[in-house]
Amino acid sequence: LAKTTQPISMDSYEGQEVNITCSHNNIATNDYITWYQQFPSQGPRFIIQGYKTKVTNEVASLFIPADRKSSTLSLPRVSLSDTAVYYCLVGPPPSSNTGKLIFGQGTTLQVKP
Amino acid sequence: SAVISQKPSRDICQRGTSLTIQCQVDSQVTMMFWYRQQPGQSLTLIATANQGSEATYESGFVIDKFPISRPNLTFSTLTVSNMSPEDSSIYLCSPLNRENTEAFFGQGTRLTVV
Repeated sequence: LAKTTQPISMDSYEGQEVNITCSHNNIATNDYITWYQQFPSQGPRFIIQGYKTKVTNEVASLFIPADRKSSTLSLPRVSLSDTAVYYCLVGPPPSSNTGKLIFGQGTTLQVKP
Repeated sequence: SAVISQKPSRDICQRGTSLTIQCQVDSQVTMMFWYRQQPGQSLTLIATANQGSEATYESGFVIDKFPISRPNLTFSTLTVSNMSPEDSSIYLCSPLNRENTEAFFGQGTRLTVV
């Protein structure tokens, strides 16, 4: 499972767009990139997953360059409730894997009013 | 997504005692993972529990300390044995089927050992 590197922490203000970049230089051909969000006293929650180019859903966008050695989670117009830890995970999908998840240190995002 | 019920949500235990954490899922799942999250840290996988086979433990975790049961496809338990203050953590279960593209987690059990 590929190792990931993210900033330890980031600060933002309400209404701003936040971009969190994750490096994964050793990503394998069949690896997907998945982001999870964790609030205090809760388990992680899936945000978005992608393989290449751009993926967008109702809460975030995920940008993946052609070499796939990094990815950027984009949160549009954050609010105070987006304050959380964000984890970038890289690995094959459960259908072709043991299903294990290896969590890195995550990025603590603090949104200020 | 599956509804996951993890009990207890929190507990304060005396050192040397054991605590069994339960994880109930509202649907059958093939794999059950148990994670530990130490204060201020990320999640670390303890073991994988599949029904009908013994749990597979990650490096640094052993069955005598963290025995796991998986009696059926909707339920699993993790026991933290002979607890010490270093075991104070949040313990989370995560059920998974191979057709899932994402993982789901219980709310966690916040354990404090005094």
